Amino acid sequence: AQSVTQLDSQVPVFEEAPVELRCNYSSSVSVYLFWYVQYPNQGLQLLLKYLSGSTLVKGINGFEAEFNKSQTSFHLRKPSVHISDTAEYFCAVTGFGNEKLTFGTGTRLTIIP
Amino acid sequence: DVKVTQSSRYLVKRTGEKVFLECVQDMDHENMFWYRQDPGLGLRLIYFSYDVKMKEKGDIPEGYSVSREKKERFSLILESASTNQTSMYLCASTVRSYNEQFFGPGTRLTVL
Repeated sequence: AQSVTQLDSQVPVFEEAPVELRCNYSSSVSVYLFWYVQYPNQGLQLLLKYLSGSTLVKGINGFEAEFNKSQTSFHLRKPSVHISDTAEYFCAVTGFGNEKLTFGTGTRLTIIP
Repeated sequence: DVKVTQSSRYLVKRTGEKVFLECVQDMDHENMFWYRQDPGLGLRLIYFSYDVKMKEKGDIPEGYSVSREKKERFSLILESASTNQTSMYLCASTVRSYNEQFFGPGTRLTVL
């Protein structure tokens, strides 16, 4: 089984400042990792995913994440945020051979003008 | 453009009513999922289906059942709605677990 921890439930950031949203996971098998974003009153959409290969993964809207196996982390970063990045962000994990995703509790990113 | 649609955006029901939430995907995906989203708890899997007429319990199946008679359609059923089932319900579909899950817009259910 897999589990995900998102320690920060809310992160306020000034516009054009950098941001890091933290995600740690636990698994006894090889993992696939995902970040999803949920804009207000919408469903979730995929930001980026790590399946294998390069540990630095680039996604949509200027976001990127780094898979760190030794620290069991998959933190999401953006060098300069915009008002339009205001949303809730979910980290998710699944293991090899597992058809189900396990989601974290989410981090609400608020951009301060 | 890929699409997952849900039958209602908002739904208000009374305690004890039988409630049907429907989800349709147009991508010929094998796997379909029902999640419940609550503040501070993230998304929790209720049930998923990996083929027509096949289903598997998720983390919180109590009080819910599902039906998948056609590949494109996955229904969530609340046999007797209770106030603690007031929540946002999200449907998703995917080809395989390591591929992107596509989500519907959600149904906000209120049980009075």
